[in-house]
Order: sequence, then structure tokens, then C-alpha cells
Amino acid sequence: AQTVTQSQPEMSVQEAETVTLSCTYDTSESDYYLFWYKQPPSRQMILVIRQEAYKQQNATENRFSVNFQKAAKSFSLKISDSQLGDAAMYFCALALNRDDKIIFGKGTRLHILP
Amino acid sequence: NAGVMQNPRHLVRRRGQEARLRCSPMKGHSHVYWYRQLPEEGLKFMVYLQKENIIDESGMPKERFSAEFPKEGPSILRIQQVVRGDSAAYFCASSPTPLTGGNGYTFGSGTRLTVV
Repeated sequence: AQTVTQSQPEMSVQEAETVTLSCTYDTSESDYYLFWYKQPPSRQMILVIRQEAYKQQNATENRFSVNFQKAAKSFSLKISDSQLGDAAMYFCALALNRDDKIIFGKGTRLHILP
Repeated sequence: NAGVMQNPRHLVRRRGQEARLRCSPMKGHSHVYWYRQLPEEGLKFMVYLQKENIIDESGMPKERFSAEFPKEGPSILRIQQVVRGDSAAYFCASSPTPLTGGNGYTFGSGTRLTVV
């Protein structure tokens, strides 16, 4: 069975600073994808970034980047130059290439301090 | 191109009533997925449907819950005889193909069901 663990229920960061959200996962499969989703108070689920497990290069989307450590099964999200609009719940998620489900972690609530 | 549309956005039901949640996938998407988010939890898979077929219902509670995706019209998640523990946000997602590419779904904004 696949699991995703986010050990930080809440985090705070000063506006314009950098913050890293942690995620670990477990799977015996070798072909999978990892995601970070953002859920603002509007409840909309927004895909922030995705990573293919077979790629060693870390994915980057503007101010968002990941640190993918496959051997350690770690997938952290770094947000640079934090903005007030980044305040949200962030979910780490895993999908196997052969499956149709996404397995989500419990989320980390990120607060941005002005 | 409208996104995944879910309605209603909020739904209040008394214990024992039926709840019907609707999901219209993105245009051209024939694969629909339902997820449930309990308070302070991540989303959990419930069911995967294609038009007129249930492909995977391994996450559906065995009783009171059912889902359909007819040839015409939206996908419906139906909860009979609701109980307080059914209070949650229910999300629908759609994709044009099965999730073999790991592109991630396009989610709707969810329906928040409150059972009183």
C-alpha cells in the first residue's frame, strides 16, 4: 500500500521569505508521480507542481521548487519570496503510473505573516 | 472552456435524508473521480467512473453510497440516509484519459455537505 506523510500540520513564514514544506512517502513501485496541491480558503484544489519519479532533475514552477530525494522517499516543496496569496493548505500526493487514484497526505497549513 | 463544475456548493441535509451531489466534467473529459475530504484531512479516493461504467469503487463505503455517470448529463454521487459522519467536502475531478500519465487531475471546487 502507498502512504504519504506530512509531519508539519502548520507552518508560518514571513512575507518575502523562503519556506520549505516536508513530505515523505512510501511505495514499493518504481513508476510513480508526485504532486503538491494548494487548497486556499476557496476550497479549490490547485496543482502547484508535479515530479516524475524517473526524472532526477527537480521540478520548478516559478517561485515553487521541489527537492526530490528518491532513495529517501522524500519530496519537499520550497516556496521562495513568499506572498500573502500563498497562504493555504498544501497537500503532498502520490500517483502510481498503473493506477487511477491519487493518495494525499493530511496537509500542511501555511500562514504568511505580513 | 469551463472547468469541472460541481453543484451545489453547499448542501445541508437532516439525518436520514438523501444527498445528491452533481459533477459536470470538463468538456471532452470522459473519466470522473470522486474524492472525500473529512475535516482537517487530505482527500481520499472514493470511486472512478467512465461513461456508463464504474471502473473502481474500492474507496466507496459499502452501504448508502452510490455513484453513476450516465451517457448524458453529469455524474451523480448519491448518499442515502445521511448520518453526521457523512459531513465532509466532496470533490470531483476529471481527465481525458485514465491517470496513467500522472498529469494530475483537474478538480472541481467541491460540495460541502453538512448533516444536521
